[in-house]
Amino acid sequence: TQLLEQSPQFLSIQEGENLTVYCNSSSVFSSLQWYRQEPGEGPVLLVTVVTGGEVKKLKRLTFQFGDARKDSSLHITAAQPGDTGLYLCAGETPGTYKYIFGTGTRLKVLA
Amino acid sequence: DAGITQSPRHKVTETGTPVTLRCHQTENHRYMYWYRQDPGHGLRLIHYSYGVKDTDKGEVSDGYSVSRSKTEDFLLTLESATSSQTSVYFCATTAGYGYTFGSGTRLTVV
Repeated sequence: TQLLEQSPQFLSIQEGENLTVYCNSSSVFSSLQWYRQEPGEGPVLLVTVVTGGEVKKLKRLTFQFGDARKDSSLHITAAQPGDTGLYLCAGETPGTYKYIFGTGTRLKVLA
Repeated sequence: DAGITQSPRHKVTETGTPVTLRCHQTENHRYMYWYRQDPGHGLRLIHYSYGVKDTDKGEVSDGYSVSRSKTEDFLLTLESATSSQTSVYFCATTAGYGYTFGSGTRLTVV
């Protein structure tokens, strides 16, 4: 069974601080996604990374896919209260359209 | 996301009764999925579909069945609801490289 471990599970920081969330597995994925979920809603796709070593930036968010395509990180610069939410990573099993989800990182940014 | 609608949004049902959750998409995506989300377990795949009448099991399929008679509709049925099936259920679709999720159905089995 493929597993995706996210760390930390919980993070509470002050507005303006930087943070990094990690997503690790022993399995290789053909692509990896990051989602953000707010209470009472479904997860919303933030980014998909496909190539080992790939780095994508989305405003203050930087996503990196590990060279071996087994791990990923999400870095947020100068966090804002609007960044508060549950962040989920998901890896696509090669040769399928099925995704395995990590258990999530719950982020709270205090004003 | 306006492209995926789940119904109902909330439901309370009694143990032993059958329950059907509906997912409707306007994205014309071939692939559709049902996940459940529980504290400490994250999102777990129940069943998925790769085309009309083509479905397969996920990691937590026991006690659930699905049907897909049209591209746009994917139904999840709890054959005889149990308290362990109390959860939030999400439908998702993809055309590749990530999911679009519905807003979820919160199901409580009492």
